[in-house]
Amino acid sequence: RKEVEQDPGPFNVPEGATVAFNCTYSNSASQSFFWYRQDCRKEPKLLMSVYSSGNEDGRFTAQLNRASQYISLLIRDSKLSDSATYLCVALYYGGSQGNLIFGKGTKLSVKP
Amino acid sequence: NAGVTQTPKFQVLKTGQSMTLQCAQDMNHEYMSWYRQDPGMGLRLIHYSVGAGITDQGEVPNGYNVSRSTTEDFPLRLLSAAPSQTSVYFCASSSFANEQFFGPGTRLTVL
Repeated sequence: RKEVEQDPGPFNVPEGATVAFNCTYSNSASQSFFWYRQDCRKEPKLLMSVYSSGNEDGRFTAQLNRASQYISLLIRDSKLSDSATYLCVALYYGGSQGNLIFGKGTKLSVKP
Repeated sequence: NAGVTQTPKFQVLKTGQSMTLQCAQDMNHEYMSWYRQDPGMGLRLIHYSVGAGITDQGEVPNGYNVSRSTTEDFPLRLLSAAPSQTSVYFCASSSFANEQFFGPGTRLTVL
């Protein structure tokens, strides 16, 4: 089975803190990677894609290490509104289609 | 654009009943899929479709049927509901290898 593993947390941090989430994947043939954000009782929404060179979007930085099959998400200057569950996702191609494998998510709670 | 819509939002069934969860998208996406999300299990793929008339099984297909007669619609049918199918169901659509857009979900309880 193709797995994506995440620390479930919860991560409880104060506003302004820097927090990092890690994720490992077992299928070395995985092609693309993403971080999704899911608010309580809501649907997942794409936060950012993860590129081999690493990429940044405001306070969020994603890194990919293919040799170690490891993905990370760094959130700087945490806001109360960052409280959510963060899902690590790997895309792999089984046959002719691409399918997403979701991690179970890491819960973040940012406190005042 | 409405994006991905799902109905109903909530449903309670008795064991053995059948029902259809509706999903529609207005983004002309080729790829549509159904997931279930259970506590501690993450999202698991039930069935998916790469275009009208084409469907395939995902990780947990047993007890569910799908069809894709149009690009827009991808209904999920529960043939004979069981308590193990109590879950939150998400429909999603995307262009290939791109961001998946999820519907708001259907919360299903089977008694």
